[in-house]
Amino acid sequence: SQELEQSPQSLIVQEGKNLTINCTSSKTLYGLYWYKQKYGEGLIFLMMLQKGGEEKSHEKITAKLDEKKQQSSLHITASQPSHAGIYLCGADITSYDKVIFGPGTSLSVIP
Amino acid sequence: EAGVAQSPRYKIIEKRQSVAFWCNPISGHATLYWYQQILGQGPKLLIQFQNNGVVDDSQLPKDRFSAERLKGVDSTLKIQPAKLEDSAVYLCASSHGGQGRTEAFFGQGTRLTVV
Repeated sequence: SQELEQSPQSLIVQEGKNLTINCTSSKTLYGLYWYKQKYGEGLIFLMMLQKGGEEKSHEKITAKLDEKKQQSSLHITASQPSHAGIYLCGADITSYDKVIFGPGTSLSVIP
Repeated sequence: EAGVAQSPRYKIIEKRQSVAFWCNPISGHATLYWYQQILGQGPKLLIQFQNNGVVDDSQLPKDRFSAERLKGVDSTLKIQPAKLEDSAVYLCASSHGGQGRTEAFFGQGTRLTVV
């Protein structure tokens, strides 16, 4: 089984709607990263979370870390077509910056 | 600041042939990662370097894959011989690697097709 699980696997939303993507780790989290990927391109860094209860926001995207539950959520408010892509959570599960990734969540936003 | 550079962008080879990928990380970044991303999946870590030393290569298929980071800067990843299942995007990333965690920056990747 995967060390990092993401849900949902894919998401189709109407423009303007809110949405949440979840990431769950089977191991202790030393750091949690959210990235976005467009097809055929590299990963674009969104946010990094390190402490339990930490919450960060950038424009309309908010990420939270629940360290006890080894979970993180990514919330997009008032989605736009520019938010479409694959969202990947990455986790540092060691003390030496070994970063592994979940399977990704594919987001489509319909105008 | 220049980003992570990778080359080539695309490569098509026949099975059993050899191929090499090159990565130039962001200047000053001590940690370098190679990931394999198969279509529809998340990136899988193949090898992690700290300067010119290997930190983790537990997922690297060592019978056919090799990687080096001479002088702790550029890195090459080689596959010899290639199999059909090696078709994937190979991503290189680098991070500062100093005290405290910092995010990794990714290159555009090399798309390998093995026919």
